[in-house]
Amino acid sequence: EAGVTQFPSHSVIEKGQTVTLRCDPISGHDNLYWYRRVMGKEIKFLLHFVKESKQDESGMPNNRFLAERTGGTYSTLKVQPAELEDSGVYFCASSQGLGGGYEQYFGPGTRLTVT
Amino acid sequence: KNQVEQSPQSLIILEGKNCTLQCNYTVSPFSNLRWYKQDTGRGPVSLTIMTFSENTKSNGRYTATLDADTKQSSLHITASQLSDSASYICVVSVGTGRRALTFGSGTRLQVQP
Repeated sequence: EAGVTQFPSHSVIEKGQTVTLRCDPISGHDNLYWYRRVMGKEIKFLLHFVKESKQDESGMPNNRFLAERTGGTYSTLKVQPAELEDSGVYFCASSQGLGGGYEQYFGPGTRLTVT
Repeated sequence: KNQVEQSPQSLIILEGKNCTLQCNYTVSPFSNLRWYKQDTGRGPVSLTIMTFSENTKSNGRYTATLDADTKQSSLHITASQLSDSASYICVVSVGTGRRALTFGSGTRLQVQP
């Protein structure tokens, strides 16, 4: 069974440009999460999808970030326009259900560098 | 504010030795506590998950403990191997509604031959 995949693995863009990150969860996982780690900090929650619906987007830093999950399969996270402080590693995770009994499986992350 | 603090920040041990990593949390309401291992360039991988009622859980050479009264957890690694070199992250799940995870900043473990 394939794990969570993310694309690209690394992206380098200039300030003001747009970048779109993609996450393919494990097949059959309704729950999809986005997290990010900025330099020197801990991983922080961005948002949570249940199928195609945003369950919780309280961690989204501002309106330059837009996440979508059309059809309830893969998800995209767009940053527009990118700022220097957006640099970091963006992780996607998926789980089959909610609650402590369900593991969140993480992708390898996308390293975003804004110059 | 929900927080997860880990110590030490980094640790170097010799292959074959044991070590213990610490985690203190102030997350409320508490749902469960997880320990993740993150190799360089990879996403975190779960080692253990413990709920409020569990005190100890093992996964091979990894043993996690939880004291929900003092809000402390530890991860003990027995007979360390070179492949144990990684970051170990304590993660607490907040209960009721929001299912996101609150991460500690991790302990960077280096096992030397």
